[in-house]
Amino acid sequence: AQTVTQSQPEMSVQEAETVTLSCTYDTSESDYYLFWYKQPPSRQMILVIRQEAYKQQNATENRFSVNFQKAAKSFSLKISDSQLGDAAMYFCAYRSAQQLTFGSGTQLTVLP
Amino acid sequence: DGGITQSPKYLFRKEGQNVTLSCEQNLNHDAMYWYRQDPGQGLRLIYYSQIVNDFQKGDIAEGYSVSREKKESFPLTVTSAQKNPTAFYLCASSISVYTGELFFGEGSRLTVL
Repeated sequence: AQTVTQSQPEMSVQEAETVTLSCTYDTSESDYYLFWYKQPPSRQMILVIRQEAYKQQNATENRFSVNFQKAAKSFSLKISDSQLGDAAMYFCAYRSAQQLTFGSGTQLTVLP
Repeated sequence: DGGITQSPKYLFRKEGQNVTLSCEQNLNHDAMYWYRQDPGQGLRLIYYSQIVNDFQKGDIAEGYSVSREKKESFPLTVTSAQKNPTAFYLCASSISVYTGELFFGEGSRLTVL
């Protein structure tokens, strides 16, 4: 079974600074998607960014970008110009035709 | 607006009672899911459904039941057989069970008294 590992249970960043959240995954499949979800204190899961494995270009959504290293099976999330509203639990997720797996999450604190 | 609606948002139950959590979507998605989340932890899959009148057990299905009589609706019943039902429950949907990102509802918090 595919596994998704988020090795940082907690991270903190100063407001306006940049932070990178790590995610690694294990798979033998070649066709899959990767996602980052944000879960703020309201607890609703919100999609932050998605990456198709066949695309070499890293996905970007405003202040959020990913560093997708397919050979290394790494999918990190970079948040630039961090804002107080970015404080949340962040989950990395792997999706293929056979599997949908979430990581255990990283709790991000933004310091004013 | 398209989305997923879960109700109730908060629910209290006495031990020995069954309760049903509602999940409705108007995204025209084929696949629907139920996840359980315990404090400080990730998501665990309870049940999922690929299509109307079909559903499959996830990783922690014991003590839960579901139905999928309509495409839009995927209610979850927490039965008295569930030994530790106090948790946060999230419903989600996707275009199909094979592809696409999940869209989530706002969740339901169940507390057993």
